[in-house]
Amino acid sequence: AQKVTQAQTEISVVEKEDVTLDCVYETRDTTYYLFWYKQPPSGELVFLIRRNSFDEQNEISGRYSWNFQKSTSSFNFTITASQVVDSAVYFCALSEAGNTPLVFGKGTRLSVIA
Amino acid sequence: DVKVTQSSRYLVKRTGEKVFLECVQDMDHENMFWYRQDPGLGLRLIYFSYDVKMKEKGDIPEGYSVSREKKERFSLILESASTNQTSMYLCASSLLGQQWGEQYFGPGTRLTVT
Repeated sequence: AQKVTQAQTEISVVEKEDVTLDCVYETRDTTYYLFWYKQPPSGELVFLIRRNSFDEQNEISGRYSWNFQKSTSSFNFTITASQVVDSAVYFCALSEAGNTPLVFGKGTRLSVIA
Repeated sequence: DVKVTQSSRYLVKRTGEKVFLECVQDMDHENMFWYRQDPGLGLRLIYFSYDVKMKEKGDIPEGYSVSREKKERFSLILESASTNQTSMYLCASSLLGQQWGEQYFGPGTRLTVT
């Protein structure tokens, strides 16, 4: 069965600090997709990134970067030089191939303090 | 831009009432989903639909039903609302060819059952 674990329930950092959000997943499939979503205080989940299981290259987008390691079944998300606008709940999710819906982790609430 | 709209941001209903939550998407997506979000539990899938008049149970379908008469609209129905259905309800949609990934979410409906 597929499962996503986000062990960090809440994280609080001071503005400009770097912060890493952890995500560990479980799946029996060799083909799968991993996602990160952001839920700001307004409530609407916003898609950030999708990776497939055959692409282990790390990705950087501005202050955001993602580290995908199949050996440890992890897909961690790092925010560099955090800002107050980064305060949100962040969800990691997994989708196995074959048209199965996303399975979400329980989320990590990030608070960035000015 | 993909737009997913939900009929109400906030809703207060009494125990035993029949409740309709409406979701409309404007991007011709085949897949539509209903989740509920509760503190500490993350997002849990209630029902999903991959075509008009088709529906599949998610992880927690008990106490809910759905209707999809038109491609753009997916309704969640609480036949007899109970206090344990007080929650945030999120609707999402995605393209069929996207391997159930990259879901687009509505702003959510916070339902309180008294």
